[in-house]
Amino acid sequence: KAGVTQTPRYLIKTRGQQVTLSCSPISGHRSVSWYQQTPGQGLQFLFEYFSETQRNKGNFPGRFSGRQFSNSRSEMNVSTLELGDSALYLCASSLVAETEAFFGQGTRLTVV
Amino acid sequence: AQSVTQLDSHVSVSEGTPVLLRCNYSSSYSPSLFWYVQHPNKGLQLLLKYTSAATLVKGINGFEAEFKKSETSFHLTKPSAHMSDAAEYFCVVKILTGGGNKLTFGTGTQLKVEL
Repeated sequence: KAGVTQTPRYLIKTRGQQVTLSCSPISGHRSVSWYQQTPGQGLQFLFEYFSETQRNKGNFPGRFSGRQFSNSRSEMNVSTLELGDSALYLCASSLVAETEAFFGQGTRLTVV
Repeated sequence: AQSVTQLDSHVSVSEGTPVLLRCNYSSSYSPSLFWYVQHPNKGLQLLLKYTSAATLVKGINGFEAEFKKSETSFHLTKPSAHMSDAAEYFCVVKILTGGGNKLTFGTGTQLKVEL
């Protein structure tokens, strides 16, 4: 069974641009969550989707958004990029909320 | 509010000696706790999980953790460290909220294994 797949693995963007990251969950998993990892702030929760509905959102500005499609694949978008958005963005999937989460390899975003 | 505290930011052991990574949790009810490991430039791999079925939880690669309610602890142990264990380890609590869930991570413990 394939694991969680995140694309692309690496991205370099310029300040002010926008970016879209993609996550394909494990087959059959309906819950997808996103996390940001930085050296200063550690791992922080961005949002969680289940059956195309956002159920939870972390404390991030509105520039961070996401969505989930009917096949459970998810995308997150960051608009008007800032230098501080440079981070490893991790996606996790679980069968349902109560079960354990499995993580992808992450997308390393660098904003210059 | 539920949270976890990892008591050591860095732990260094010799290969073949025991590993102890400490984690305390704060929760108003029985928590779901996890340990994840992250190797350099990799995602997070689930080591083990506690969901109230048994207080001693066995995970992958010889790791285990014991849930102690009286001490609000969930320490990770391994009898004999291997060089390949060198990585960052995260203690995590799952919060069920809004009909869904979110994970709250500890600050991580960097494990160094020396020859």
